[in-house]
Amino acid sequence: LAKTTQPISMDSYEGQEVNITCSHNNIATNDYITWYQQFPSQGPRFIIQGYKTKVTNEVASLFIPADRKSSTLSLPRVSLSDTAVYYCLVGGAINAGNNRKLIWGLGTSLAVNP
Amino acid sequence: GAVVSQHPSRVICKSGTSVKIECRSLDFQATTMFWYRQFPKQSLMLMATSNEGSKATYEQGVEKDKFLINHASLTLSTLTVTSAHPEDSSFYICSAPPGPGGARNEQFFGPGTRLTVL
Repeated sequence: LAKTTQPISMDSYEGQEVNITCSHNNIATNDYITWYQQFPSQGPRFIIQGYKTKVTNEVASLFIPADRKSSTLSLPRVSLSDTAVYYCLVGGAINAGNNRKLIWGLGTSLAVNP
Repeated sequence: GAVVSQHPSRVICKSGTSVKIECRSLDFQATTMFWYRQFPKQSLMLMATSNEGSKATYEQGVEKDKFLINHASLTLSTLTVTSAHPEDSSFYICSAPPGPGGARNEQFFGPGTRLTVL
C-alpha cells in the first residue's frame, strides 16, 4: 500500500499562504491523492482530491507534478482557524472492487500564529 | 456536505463492561461505513469496514469478537466494545463515503466518541 511522508509540523502567520508538501514515491496508477483536515477531538474533514496537474476549490489548491510522486496542498491567506492537522492520503476509490484502503500517516500539524 | 453523527460523544465506563457506539448517516444512505480508532497525538487507524447486510471486514490485528460491528440499516452502524479495558480508551470515529457523484476517496466523518475505561 502506498505510504506518504509529510513534515510533522509547520508554523505560519495569519494572512500568509501555506504550502504543505507530501511525498508518495510508491503511488499506484489508480491512486488518487486526497487531503483531510482535522481539529482536536473532531473527525477529519475532506479538503481536496486530485489525480494529476492542479485542482482548486473554494478552500485550497492541490498541485501534482507529472510523475505524481509528490503533491502540495496550498492554503491561501490562512487564518487562526486553519490551525489543525492536515493529512495526505493516497489510494484508489473506496468503493472500487479491489477495496483499496486509505492509509493515514501522522499528518502535518499546522500552527497559525497571530 | 453530508452529515454523519455519532452517539455518544463521550463515555466513561468501568473495566469489564461493554459500550455501544452508534454511527448514523443523517441525510444519505451508506452501504459501507468505516470505523477508526485514534490515540492521542497519533493518526487514525482503520479498524474495520462495516457492510450493510453482511459481515464486517476487520483489519489485521483487530479482534472481531471484542469489537462487534453491526450494520443494521443503510443509515446505521454500531460498534460495541465488549469487556472494555483501560487500553481500549481511545477516540473512536466512524465515516461513510458519499453516494454516486462524490469524490473518489471522500469520506464523511462523524464527530467521534471519546471512550474512557476506568
